[in-house]
Amino acid sequence: EAGVTQFPSHSVIEKGQTVTLRCDPISGHDNLYWYRRVMGKEIKFLLHFVKESKQDESGMPNNRFLAERTGGTYSTLKVQPAELEDSGVYFCASSQDRLAQFNEQFFGPGTRLTVL
Amino acid sequence: AQKITQTQPGMFVQEKEAVTLDCTYDTSDQSYGLFWYKQPSSGEMIFLIYQGSYDEQNATEGRYSLNFQKARKSANLVISASQLGDSAMYFCAMREGEYTGNQFYFGTGTSLTVIP
Repeated sequence: EAGVTQFPSHSVIEKGQTVTLRCDPISGHDNLYWYRRVMGKEIKFLLHFVKESKQDESGMPNNRFLAERTGGTYSTLKVQPAELEDSGVYFCASSQDRLAQFNEQFFGPGTRLTVL
Repeated sequence: AQKITQTQPGMFVQEKEAVTLDCTYDTSDQSYGLFWYKQPSSGEMIFLIYQGSYDEQNATEGRYSLNFQKARKSANLVISASQLGDSAMYFCAMREGEYTGNQFYFGTGTSLTVIP
């Protein structure tokens, strides 16, 4: 079974440019999450999709960030225009829609974004 | 306030020795789950172990065990018989509430180095 994949693995852009990150969750996982880790800090939640709907976007920093999940499959996270403080590692995770208290989130390898 | 606190930015352990990585959490929910993830230098996040708030026994998975002290709100990870491949970043995470799709809250991580 393929894991969560993310593309690109690295991206270096200049301030003011646009970047789009992509995440392909594990097939059949309805839940998809975006997280971000800024250097040396904790991994922070950005938003959560259930299928194609945004369940919780309380962690999105501002309106320069736009996330979509087309048809409930893959997701994109666009940053436009990018600022220096957007640099960090962006993780995508997915999980099944389960009732059991244990519901592991499976993480992708992350996209390292550097804004110069 | 931080929901997950990891107070050890870096730890060293001799190969074959045991090591404890600290994690304290803050929640007022009765139902929650605690997770530990390992992030080697390759970047992927690997799930290690889970403890549910209603679980009375400490979780164990091979060489990993979770020292769950509910009254103290701590969920320390114990790695026995350390191996060189255990060198990695370790993150403690919590999911609050009954809904198993809720976001994870992460700590800042502990970098573990195993010395030959």
